[in-house]
Amino acid sequence: GAVVSQHPSRVICKSGTSVKIECRSLDFQATTMFWYRQFPKQSLMLMATSNEGSKATYEQGVEKDKFLINHASLTLSTLTVTSAHPEDSSFYICSVASGNYGYTFGSGTRLTVV
Amino acid sequence: GENVEQHPSTLSVQEGDSAVIKCTYSDSASNYFPWYKQELGKGPQLIIDIRSNVGEKKDQRIAVTLNKTAKHFSLHITETQPEDSAVYFCAINNDMRFGAGTRLTVKP
Repeated sequence: GAVVSQHPSRVICKSGTSVKIECRSLDFQATTMFWYRQFPKQSLMLMATSNEGSKATYEQGVEKDKFLINHASLTLSTLTVTSAHPEDSSFYICSVASGNYGYTFGSGTRLTVV
Repeated sequence: GENVEQHPSTLSVQEGDSAVIKCTYSDSASNYFPWYKQELGKGPQLIIDIRSNVGEKKDQRIAVTLNKTAKHFSLHITETQPEDSAVYFCAINNDMRFGAGTRLTVKP
């Protein structure tokens, strides 16, 4: 399957600042990547589908101006949490559809907003 | 999207025993059923999957069974080991919506 690298693994930021999370597909050209959010002891919630060269598709209830997604190449998608607040603290995970092998996930980013 | 229900939410077994986790779905057109394992602080990893043209698939101690008539599929882990302790999620198709997860604890 694909190899997906997500960076950073954890980040602490001050309230009101923005944080960028990167998701790279190292050996697979990914026209589509997915961004999830996971609260403690809960399942993964799909936030948005990132499409290379076009606008991301956001799930209902996800603010597109708050969670900016850029998928400028076949190997990189970024999620920027803008004007972060403590309630944005969560575990963010990206994934890539990897052909016959289902989906490959990044290792996740633990965001803490203080 | 597709509704998928996962049970149980927590499961505790003794090392060496078997563990079974079940997911039910509603759309009879669903044709791909993966299972993911998520360890603490990490992203999920695909451990086994099954397509609708087969009823069972096995990989060493892990197996998945599919009952298309009843619209449910199950993860079976035999001879459980402490390192099997994790949260397990089922998913449906390329919808990429997950079950609620099952926290499996294997007691040594």
